[in-house]
Amino acid sequence: GQNIDQPTEMTATEGAIVQINCTYQTSGFNGLFWYQQHAGEAPTFLSYNVLDGLEEKGRFSSFLSRSKGYSYLLLKELQMKDSASYLCAVRDNYGQNFVFGPGTRLSVLP
Amino acid sequence: DTGVSQDPRHKITKRGQNVTFRCDPISEHNRLYWYRQTLGQGPEFLTYFQNEAQLEKSRLLSDRFSAERPKGSFSTLEIQRTEQGDSAMYLCASSLEGVQRYEQYFGPGTRLTVT
Repeated sequence: GQNIDQPTEMTATEGAIVQINCTYQTSGFNGLFWYQQHAGEAPTFLSYNVLDGLEEKGRFSSFLSRSKGYSYLLLKELQMKDSASYLCAVRDNYGQNFVFGPGTRLSVLP
Repeated sequence: DTGVSQDPRHKITKRGQNVTFRCDPISEHNRLYWYRQTLGQGPEFLTYFQNEAQLEKSRLLSDRFSAERPKGSFSTLEIQRTEQGDSAMYLCASSLEGVQRYEQYFGPGTRLTVT
């Protein structure tokens, strides 16, 4: 079966660092994606990992361990505009289908 | 604007009516996906097209749902005999297969309310 787990909600303070974890069990693996979704808007792409390790892109970094079925998204120097849902998605072995997690709703407080 | 567009943005319909949504992907993208998203959940895969061919359909997609992409460009999603449980945001996404990252670009969605 396909299963992706993320914490439902997280809260952090402006200027801080927050780590959002994602664990997955899928029938195959052909890449892991992180998306940001503000309330009432479409998801927007943040990062992609297909090999183990850390990918850094400005204030955002994403880590992958394929052997552990685990990823995290690291957000540094949090800003109020980072308040959103963060979706973890895995592309399956055949590279055809994306399975999304339930999303983590992050609230950034002043 | 050359992003993914969807029409209409909002649709309110009565139970039992048929509705049709349209998605226009990024022009050079050959893959087109449909998802359904309910409040507080991630998008659920419904179906996808490679050019004009519909290659996979989710078990979530009952026989009341049908999707087409007649010329490999825009796509339509039709729901027949709508039910209140169909109320959701319907998202379309497109991607260019063959590009390493397989990044999907999402449209703004069509919010369906069935009364």
